[in-house]
Amino acid sequence: QKEVEQNSGPLSVPEGAIASLNCTYSDRVSQSFFWYRQYSGKSPELIMSIYSNGDKEDGRFTAQLNKASQYVSLLIRDSQPSDSATYLCAVKSYGQNFVFGPGTRLSVLP
Amino acid sequence: SAVISQKPSRDICQRGTSLTIQCQVDSQVTMMFWYRQQPGQSLTLIATANQGSEATYESGFVIDKFPISRPNLTFSTLTVSNMSPEDSSIYLCSVELQGETEAFFGQGTRLTVV
Repeated sequence: QKEVEQNSGPLSVPEGAIASLNCTYSDRVSQSFFWYRQYSGKSPELIMSIYSNGDKEDGRFTAQLNKASQYVSLLIRDSQPSDSATYLCAVKSYGQNFVFGPGTRLSVLP
Repeated sequence: SAVISQKPSRDICQRGTSLTIQCQVDSQVTMMFWYRQQPGQSLTLIATANQGSEATYESGFVIDKFPISRPNLTFSTLTVSNMSPEDSSIYLCSVELQGETEAFFGQGTRLTVV
């Protein structure tokens, strides 16, 4: 059973702080890793994808991948109240379906 | 990315009836999926919609309850049959596009069964 685990939260951070979201996965041969943001009542939207060990930056978002530790994280710098949402980690192996984590609810306090 | 049109966006249905949800994509699609998301929960894969053949269902989901069609590459329907209040959920269409590895989602259908 392939699993993706996340802290359910809520994770509360003050506006302007760095939010750190973590995800671990069980399938060692996973190749592709994704972060989705889901606002309440809306569908998930893709924020970042990462495929290689290390960091990948896109604006205020940085995804970090460590395949040896089976760990992927998302950092949100200068957090804004509009970042308040549930963040879903997803993992995929070649030829397999996506496996989604339970999501972490982030609350950015003004 | 692509424009993924899913409809209806929401519906309130009587128990025992059926609802068909449509998903239309404006780009070349390799894979189409149907998910269910119950309140406060993550995504649960119902099935992979296969073009021109029977869908591939995940454990716990059966064709009689959730018949799926995919007559061409860019269109699929999911029917929720003989509904009960336990079927109240958000249903999401998801696609993988040709040449891309990410999954993209339709707007979702919020179903309430009364």
